[in-house]
Amino acid sequence: NAGVTQTPKFQVLKTGQSMTLQCAQDMNHEYMSWYRQDPGMGLRLIHYSVGAGITDQGEVPNGYNVSRSTTEDFPLRLLSAAPSQTSVYFCASSYGRPPLNTEAFFGQGTRLTVV
Amino acid sequence: GQQVMQIPQYQHVQEGEDFTTYCNSSTTLSNIQWYKQRPGGHPVFLIQLVKSGEVKKQKRLTFQFGEAKKNSSLHITATQTTDVGTYFCAGPFGETSGSRLTFGEGTQLTVNP
Repeated sequence: NAGVTQTPKFQVLKTGQSMTLQCAQDMNHEYMSWYRQDPGMGLRLIHYSVGAGITDQGEVPNGYNVSRSTTEDFPLRLLSAAPSQTSVYFCASSYGRPPLNTEAFFGQGTRLTVV
Repeated sequence: GQQVMQIPQYQHVQEGEDFTTYCNSSTTLSNIQWYKQRPGGHPVFLIQLVKSGEVKKQKRLTFQFGEAKKNSSLHITATQTTDVGTYFCAGPFGETSGSRLTFGEGTQLTVNP
């Protein structure tokens, strides 16, 4: 059972470039989310989805887009990378959606540097 | 901004000492979760508390959920070097019936052997 798979693990972008961070889960979870982690700021929610075709914004959505065409996949797109988007990105999924949420499973993370 | 406040931000202890981190919410929560993240790793689920006043134990770890369901704590008895990491609490927030899983800023624990 693979769980939550994120790719790539590391990425360096130039300012203005775009890219997609991939996230896939094989547990048939309805709730998926993207977080960014910066030193001293914990995990901040970027976007989340409560099911295929349904997405919503989190705390820090600017500069990011998401889509959820299938239950399994929840890619995160950086439209025009900026140095402020240098961070570690985590994808997570859970069977239940908040407020009836259950254990969240996290991917291994993507360490992104924008130069 | 964050709706889940967690203190302290950092804690340094000698091996064998106890450790406690506290989590406070501005609103009543349906549940609260705790996660541990080892250095360089990803968050890993520890436990979920649902009931008012609930207390759960996992070996040396004791988790409590406040009577008003607005605060929680994690206590580690006799810390070991394997306890090193950042501990996060998380709760459901959002305009639509608490549809977002929001994390506190975490408490980073270091243990001196």
